[in-house]
Amino acid sequence: EAEVAQSPRYKITEKSQAVAFWCDPISGHATLYWYRQILGQGPELLVQFQDESVVDDSQLPKDRFSAERLKGVDSTLKIQPAELGDSAMYLCASSLGQRETQYFGPGTRLLVL
Amino acid sequence: AQRVTQPEKLLSVFKGAPVELKCNYSYSGSPELFWYVQYSRQRLQLLLRHISRESIKGFTADLNKGETSFHLKKPFAQEEDSAMYYCALQNTGGFKTIFGAGTRLFVKA
Repeated sequence: EAEVAQSPRYKITEKSQAVAFWCDPISGHATLYWYRQILGQGPELLVQFQDESVVDDSQLPKDRFSAERLKGVDSTLKIQPAELGDSAMYLCASSLGQRETQYFGPGTRLLVL
Repeated sequence: AQRVTQPEKLLSVFKGAPVELKCNYSYSGSPELFWYVQYSRQRLQLLLRHISRESIKGFTADLNKGETSFHLKKPFAQEEDSAMYYCALQNTGGFKTIFGAGTRLFVKA
């Protein structure tokens, strides 16, 4: 069964460093989502792509975060520079379309020291 | 403002007892509502969505627009139901999904 893949699974970095996360959605899924989940909270949408276009990035801290999905397939989320408050689980999800079921990846747990 | 509230962080019930996980939402239009579940060491996954009107693993959820609630219910809890449950709302404009903080359900033997 096809699954959403994410790497790395864990990342430890020091504040002010740059980090990047990668997501490979299920083949054929046009919509891709990046969520941030802080301990004890639910996932919060950071950015949503429809193919290669951003359809929502209202909660993305654009001074330090960037996301791209250049060919409308896999995606990269970058943080530069990382801050202590960025420590969280970063989840990627994909769906056939914007109203379809979202399938989640295993997440990348980030710890900023 | 669009918001999903799950008032209980932890719910503990005995096996065979009924269970109800509460969810209240704030949204001016007609949202689409979901319950997601995350079992230990597994990925977050969709449990059910209100438009499907399905019963999944014995769970049902009824949308009450008057009370703006979407509570998840099961008449007889099983140990394998122990998991983290998230209620979520999808707005009908940009299709953005908003999650609640989650309720951890613990079913005791």
